[in-house]
Amino acid sequence: DTGVSQDPRHKITKRGQNVTFRCDPISEHNRLYWYRQTLGQGPEFLTYFQNEAQLEKSRLLSDRFSAERPKGSFSTLEIQRTEQGDSAMYLCASSLGSATTQYFGPGTRLLVL
Amino acid sequence: GESVGLHLPTLSVQEGDNSIINCAYSNSASDYFIWYKQESGKGPQFIIDIRSNMDKRQGQRVTVLLNKTVKHLSLQIAATQPGDSAVYFCAENERGSTLGRLYFGRGTQLTVWP
Repeated sequence: DTGVSQDPRHKITKRGQNVTFRCDPISEHNRLYWYRQTLGQGPEFLTYFQNEAQLEKSRLLSDRFSAERPKGSFSTLEIQRTEQGDSAMYLCASSLGSATTQYFGPGTRLLVL
Repeated sequence: GESVGLHLPTLSVQEGDNSIINCAYSNSASDYFIWYKQESGKGPQFIIDIRSNMDKRQGQRVTVLLNKTVKHLSLQIAATQPGDSAVYFCAENERGSTLGRLYFGRGTQLTVWP
């Protein structure tokens, strides 16, 4: 399968713990996006990378959130000191260039107890 | 760009009928629109896109119509099948934006009855 992959698919954690998610984009896609989706809503933009550079962060991305794409390939999204309000589906997408189709991965569903 | 929305939250159709899902947007600077299908527990799946220099685009069993005058987008699905049951989102991107961030509406739940 050459689509976007995400790991883990599900994560249950206790409030205050740190979690890290991984995204592997479609090979050769230079753009990688993170979105968050809560129940009944559409995805909301969090941040994006062009190659290894993080070029934009949404105001939704508090200082407890950090994302990296060290080699311009896979990316990680870390949430520190998780809160119950962080419970959501975290989606990763990739594209080849700007204003082109973004292909989404299956998402990581996070539940903070 | 953050006012993409949908007229109806749910739509139920009989198998074989045509479906029309609507979307309204408010950002006149938007010039690229995409429809995604999302099944339960899965990520959004690309269906079809359209740029603002077009009024209509057709794919396999799907047609997207864009009316820039009233800022309205629709997705037509021909001969709807049970496998089409999902939540459908429209998304938009601003003209000239090099950022590529998409703004999504809330989605419409399409249910297809056999």
